[in-house]
Amino acid sequence: KQEVTQIPAALSVPEGENLVLNCSFTDSAIYNLQWFRQDPGKGLTSLLLIQSSQREQTSGRLNASLDKSSGRSTLYIAASQPGDSATYLCAVSGGSGNTGKLIFGQGTTLQVKP
Amino acid sequence: GAGVSQSPSNKVTEKGKDVELRCDPISGHTALYWYRQSLGQGLEFLIYFQGNSAPDKSGLPSDRFSAERTGGSVSTLTIQRTQQEDSAVYLCASSLEGRSYEQYFGPGTRLTVT
Repeated sequence: KQEVTQIPAALSVPEGENLVLNCSFTDSAIYNLQWFRQDPGKGLTSLLLIQSSQREQTSGRLNASLDKSSGRSTLYIAASQPGDSATYLCAVSGGSGNTGKLIFGQGTTLQVKP
Repeated sequence: GAGVSQSPSNKVTEKGKDVELRCDPISGHTALYWYRQSLGQGLEFLIYFQGNSAPDKSGLPSDRFSAERTGGSVSTLTIQRTQQEDSAVYLCASSLEGRSYEQYFGPGTRLTVT
């Protein structure tokens, strides 16, 4: 059974810092990995999708890497801003017999202080 | 273009009543997923529709839960004889096809069972 873990559960940093969020998964037979952002009371916004054959994806100040063999992904946020404050969720699709449903981690709640 | 829409945004119901939640996926997306987000359980998969294939119902928590997708587009999630533990945010997502494609989420329906 696929399990996804995110560390840390919460993070508070001053504005301008570079930071790394971690995600690990137990079954390396994945189709892809997605990083999402969730603001309080809102739905999920997709940030980056990494296919199983890819090593990383970049979008603006965000960079996500994937090491499928070790079951790990990191989300790097450069020059953090107060507007980056949100909960960040990692999810994997795939694993034995999986139809494409996403298995989510518990999330990392980020606070960026001005 | 229009994203995934869900209605209602909020629903308060009495224990024992039936409720219907609606999801309109992105036009042209053949895959549709329902997830549930609750404080104690995080985000969990409920059901998956892909084209004309039989749905993956493996995540439905009990036989009080059912869903249908008419005409390959709109989907309705029905919860019969609601219980307090059904209180959660119900999220719908769609993707171009299943498995390897990026999933886009709607804003969710917050269900409160009193």
